[in-house]
Amino acid sequence: RKEVEQDPGPFNVPEGATVAFNCTYSNSASQSFFWYRQDCRKEPKLLMSVYSSGNEDGRFTAQLNRASQYISLLIRDSKLSDSATYLCVVNPTYSGGYQKVTFGTGTKLQVIP
Amino acid sequence: NAGVTQTPKFQVLKTGQSMTLQCAQDMNHEYMSWYRQDPGMGLRLIHYSVGAGITDQGEVPNGYNVSRSTTEDFPLRLLSAAPSQTSVYFCASGRAGVNTGELFFGEGSRLTVL
Repeated sequence: RKEVEQDPGPFNVPEGATVAFNCTYSNSASQSFFWYRQDCRKEPKLLMSVYSSGNEDGRFTAQLNRASQYISLLIRDSKLSDSATYLCVVNPTYSGGYQKVTFGTGTKLQVIP
Repeated sequence: NAGVTQTPKFQVLKTGQSMTLQCAQDMNHEYMSWYRQDPGMGLRLIHYSVGAGITDQGEVPNGYNVSRSTTEDFPLRLLSAAPSQTSVYFCASGRAGVNTGELFFGEGSRLTVL
């Protein structure tokens, strides 16, 4: 099983719609989680962290479900400018203290006028 | 604010040539890493470092070398380029610890191997 899995999409949604993506992870010891946004041919940029209690930033809400080992990203009132690929990041801690940051393959969102 | 600077942005190599992709950050981050991104494959970790003198392999280390002699710099060396190494390469840095996943990326280096 891959460490981090995402549905690649694409998710095609009309402007104003609500859309949600999930990201599952395999390492139950994972401690921190993040969502990134990547525009076409650009570098990924941090969108938001995912806390145990959830995290909301404007139209974006991130949730963590430790029991089922997944994180989610909800986008309300979708804008054309939200069209991008959304990557999840899971940060496990290894016994040696070294930490590898693993990215999911990303979910592509296309918001349609 | 410079952040993470990668050079070169574009490079064309012939099979068998060697080269170094440079990465520098000015945020005093302990953690630095190199990823390659291919269509449909997402970001795959090549090598990473948690501080000067400390490096480790990621998922796809074969054909690449790294070193970390200073906090600021983390160069990626291609020893003998192969067409399979045609890709977009991203360098990223962040703080070590629980929040290591908060990474800052360079703009990427687009490498073509003929």
